[in-house]
Amino acid sequence: ETGVTQTPRHLVMGMTNKKSLKCEQHLGHNAMYWYKQSAKKPLELMFVYNFKEQTENNSVPSRFSPECPNSSHLFLHLHTLQPEDSALYLCASSQGRGGQTQYFGPGTRLLVL
Amino acid sequence: EDQVTQSPEALRLQEGESSSLNCSYTVSGLRGLFWYRQDPGKGPEFLFTLYSAGEEKEKERLKATLTKKESFLHITAPKPEDSATYLCAVELTGGGNKLTFGTGTQLKVEL
Repeated sequence: ETGVTQTPRHLVMGMTNKKSLKCEQHLGHNAMYWYKQSAKKPLELMFVYNFKEQTENNSVPSRFSPECPNSSHLFLHLHTLQPEDSALYLCASSQGRGGQTQYFGPGTRLLVL
Repeated sequence: EDQVTQSPEALRLQEGESSSLNCSYTVSGLRGLFWYRQDPGKGPEFLFTLYSAGEEKEKERLKATLTKKESFLHITAPKPEDSATYLCAVELTGGGNKLTFGTGTQLKVEL
């Protein structure tokens, strides 16, 4: 595997379900990110992890819970989501220093029924 | 408030018809400006990073330029495979790795 991988690629869940999204980067980076992409809206930063420490939570509802066990893996735990949470969830990674390029994974297309 | 605005929202070109996409930004301090290409249902693919006014970068039919207020992505003699959404993002000085994205320009190149 190369670059940034995400699983699953597609996910359908009910509002009472609990699921997790997984991201893995094979680039030797130290920072990882979760973004949300909804139709007709700009990419919206959700969380930033730098050297496994969360450095940014962009006012994300608590029904989204990130986890970063090491610099290569990032999870997004989902519970009691709402239909408006349906979107493309993108993971990215970069070197830990500022001004560095972020490389994105293919995304998980989430549908909440 | 820091803002990134991309224009046009959508652009339709004939194959070989050159054009430019615009990304204007109103930010307190720019650390870097990034261009990405995104195909439907896929993650953004990195194209260019620009750090200072006057900087230019090229890759195949694409050329990105940067001024103090905006960036242009010039597409020379486009082909149908250049059809995609082109995203611009900025990182602010002291911004802690945070990117602010525009809404993108959806480009369609027809035969």
